[in-house]
Amino acid sequence: GAGVSQSPSNKVTEKGKDVELRCDPISGHTALYWYRQSLGQGLEFLIYFQGNSAPDKSGLPSDRFSAERTGGSVSTLTIQRTQQEDSAVYLCASSLEDGFNQPQHFGDGTRLSIL
Amino acid sequence: QQQVKQSPQSLIVQKGGISIINCAYENTAFDYFPWYQQFPGKGPALLIAIRPDVSEKKEGRFTISFNKSAKQFSLHIMDSQPGDSATYFCAARGGKLIFGQGTELSVKP
Repeated sequence: GAGVSQSPSNKVTEKGKDVELRCDPISGHTALYWYRQSLGQGLEFLIYFQGNSAPDKSGLPSDRFSAERTGGSVSTLTIQRTQQEDSAVYLCASSLEDGFNQPQHFGDGTRLSIL
Repeated sequence: QQQVKQSPQSLIVQKGGISIINCAYENTAFDYFPWYQQFPGKGPALLIAIRPDVSEKKEGRFTISFNKSAKQFSLHIMDSQPGDSATYFCAARGGKLIFGQGTELSVKP
């Protein structure tokens, strides 16, 4: 079966532009996570969706970041008015059900470069 | 208190040797400790995980050792192979997964 799919794989944009990053989780997975991985850093939690519950947005670094998950499947992470410090790899993961002890399956990420 | 500290940042091991990566945490409420392996250009993949009521878990050449009193856990890779060259992340669950900074492992042939 297909794994977690992210698009685009690479995105280069100018400072101040808005960007949208897409994540298609594994079919049947109810939990979806977004992380940010900066060069030489670990994975920074951004946001977590579980079924129809309100998302955990506690990791979003600023109000320029937002995410939605439509129909309990595809998710979009939006960054408005991008800044150079937003340059990073954005990773999406999904898991079978609620709880962070369920294995998280990661996509290959979107490498975002802000000029 | 939510941090997970990982060391070393990079590691070079000869083929056939033992690779050891260490992690330390502060929050005693953490209840699940996975290790992830990441190859360049790919997302992390779960390698092995342990719960704090177990002191050791072994899967093939990979072993997690867990010291609850010291709040430390480590990954041992026995008989390291060039194909093991990757970045390894430890993590701890405390409501959400908190990741270490990563260790870049290079296994020389």
